[in-house]
Amino acid sequence: AQSVAQPEDQVNVAEGNPLTVKCTYSVSGNPYLFWYVQYPNRGLQFLLKYITGDNLVKGSYGFEAEFNKSQTSFHLKKPSALVSDSALYFCAVSPASGGSYIPTFGRGTSLIVHP
Amino acid sequence: GAVVSQHPSWVICKSGTSVKIECRSLDFQATTMFWYRQFPKQSLMLMATSNEGSKATYEQGVEKDKFLINHASLTLSTLTVTSAHPEDSSFYICSARDQLGGREAFFGQGTRLTVV
Repeated sequence: AQSVAQPEDQVNVAEGNPLTVKCTYSVSGNPYLFWYVQYPNRGLQFLLKYITGDNLVKGSYGFEAEFNKSQTSFHLKKPSALVSDSALYFCAVSPASGGSYIPTFGRGTSLIVHP
Repeated sequence: GAVVSQHPSWVICKSGTSVKIECRSLDFQATTMFWYRQFPKQSLMLMATSNEGSKATYEQGVEKDKFLINHASLTLSTLTVTSAHPEDSSFYICSARDQLGGREAFFGQGTRLTVV
């Protein structure tokens, strides 16, 4: 079975500083990896995905994520945080082949960017 | 880009009544849609997978007679919470995959259900 771990319930960062939201995964075979963001009382917005190719994936709003196969990680990063980035972030994984394509989500990490 | 519209955004209903939530893919066709429930400060709990033209697949522990799912077309799935109770109060979110697109799912805005 596939699983996702987001070890931090909350990440605090000052505006202008770099941010990292951690994600590790477990899946049979190669993974498809995703990051989503959720603002209060809203659905999830797709940020970026890793399917294949370059390990560094760039997405919406200046976010990027690095796929590290040996560490089974897919950490979300941004060079300079904005107060408006404050939200709940979810990492998700599904197998690249076979099995269910239904993504498994982590429990979410609340990002708080302080002015 | 792929847009999923969910309606209503919020609803308040009395105990014992039924509430229908709609999920529409606006610019793509979705043979499969997903229904999630989210509790405060928690992750998404997959309730069921909705398949166009066939019965939904429910996750373990989800009452199929209470949470009726219909996926009558390639762009519309509905979730009906029947005989609602206060403990059904929650945030419900649908998502859909573009059958011609990639593996990423696109989400509706969510529905805040409050049963009084």
